[in-house]
Amino acid sequence: KNEVEQSPQNLTAQEGEFITINCSYSVGISALHWLQQHPGGGIVSLFMLSSGKKKHGRLIATINIQEKHSSLHITASHPRDSAVYICAPLRATNKLIFGTGTLLAVQP
Amino acid sequence: DAGVTQSPTHLIKTRGQQVTLRCSPISGHKSVSWYQQVLGQGPQFIFQYYEKEERGRGNFPDRFSARQFPNYSSELNVNALLLGDSALYLCASSHPGGAGEKLFFGSGTQLSVL
Repeated sequence: KNEVEQSPQNLTAQEGEFITINCSYSVGISALHWLQQHPGGGIVSLFMLSSGKKKHGRLIATINIQEKHSSLHITASHPRDSAVYICAPLRATNKLIFGTGTLLAVQP
Repeated sequence: DAGVTQSPTHLIKTRGQQVTLRCSPISGHKSVSWYQQVLGQGPQFIFQYYEKEERGRGNFPDRFSARQFPNYSSELNVNALLLGDSALYLCASSHPGGAGEKLFFGSGTQLSVL
């Protein structure tokens, strides 16, 4: 079983929809990153969370350390949000472990 | 300010050769980490360095090594290349360098092993 599970693996949405991507992990962590990767490889760090909730523009990330779960929400989705979203928990050993990613396609 | 820069952008090697990849972090960032991303898969953590010391290591063989220089730039070395080492190698830096800080990624070095 993977240490990090993301769902869904693939997601197609219509422009304007509210989107939720979930991440569950089975190991103890000190923080969790949400990353965005566009075709061609570039990775952008969206959030680093160790507790609670963070918001940046239309993106919201939450984490529940006790339940070992984090979510990434996108409000009013737009085609430019189309990308792979990766959950990456950080272990206390400074080892970053990556989820399998969620491929999001937002259609106009 | 320049972002994280990696060189070279593309590299072709043959099996058994050695390769050195380079990473310059954002100015002021003291932590550098390295990742391998095989086509179609998510990244895998290789190393993390902070203040020139190794702070984390992933599940990679001893053929993989790295170091960080006084100016916080870093090199990743891979010896005795295998076909399976073909991947995108990503470097990320963070500030002030401790665990859990937001990461800034370079565009990567695409390594092809023939």
